[in-house]
Amino acid sequence: AQKITQTQPGMFVQEKEAVTLDCTYDTSDQSYGLFWYKQPSSGEMIFLIYQGSYDEQNATEGRYSLNFQKARKSANLVISASQLGDSAMYFCAMREGPGGATNKLIFGTGTLLAVQP
Amino acid sequence: SAVISQKPSRDICQRGTSLTIQCQVDSQVTMMFWYRQQPGQSLTLIATANQGSEATYESGFVIDKFPISRPNLTFSTLTVSNMSPEDSSIYLCSALRPVPLNTEAFFGQGTRLTVV
Repeated sequence: AQKITQTQPGMFVQEKEAVTLDCTYDTSDQSYGLFWYKQPSSGEMIFLIYQGSYDEQNATEGRYSLNFQKARKSANLVISASQLGDSAMYFCAMREGPGGATNKLIFGTGTLLAVQP
Repeated sequence: SAVISQKPSRDICQRGTSLTIQCQVDSQVTMMFWYRQQPGQSLTLIATANQGSEATYESGFVIDKFPISRPNLTFSTLTVSNMSPEDSSIYLCSALRPVPLNTEAFFGQGTRLTVV
């Protein structure tokens, strides 16, 4: 069965530094998608970045990049130049099945990031 | 990306009552989902809302407790029935567009429910 593991319950980073949030996954599907979301204290889920299993290049979106290592089944999120507003819970998620199948997301347990001034 | 309007944003309800949460998407989507996030926890999928047919529930969730409707491609409701304090959670709806646009699953703002 598909599974997402985030082993860091909490992380601290200094403002303007880079931080890596870990995510490993387990799936027997050849086609899958990996997502990262940010959830501030307000509770909304903010989409950050997506990586498809067949994408050869690591995804990047502004200060966010995804370090995708398919053989190791890891999809770590890298936030560069951390800002105070980055303090939030971060969830890694995986889309089950190829496009056209169920497409539901399963989520990891999350990492609480605190950016310190 | 598409926008989902979810309401109410929060509510405080008496035990034994029911609450219906609505989600309206600003464009047609293939898949709509309902999640529950208990305090301090991750998101757990309740069900997939299927247009024109009964929802598909995940293990541990039943239709009598969480009836779901999806009358068209842009709208869905989730009812939390006969509530107890254990139902206090954030409830989130989510939508996914068909391939090749399914690279983002977007969420409503969430409904923060407290049952007293």
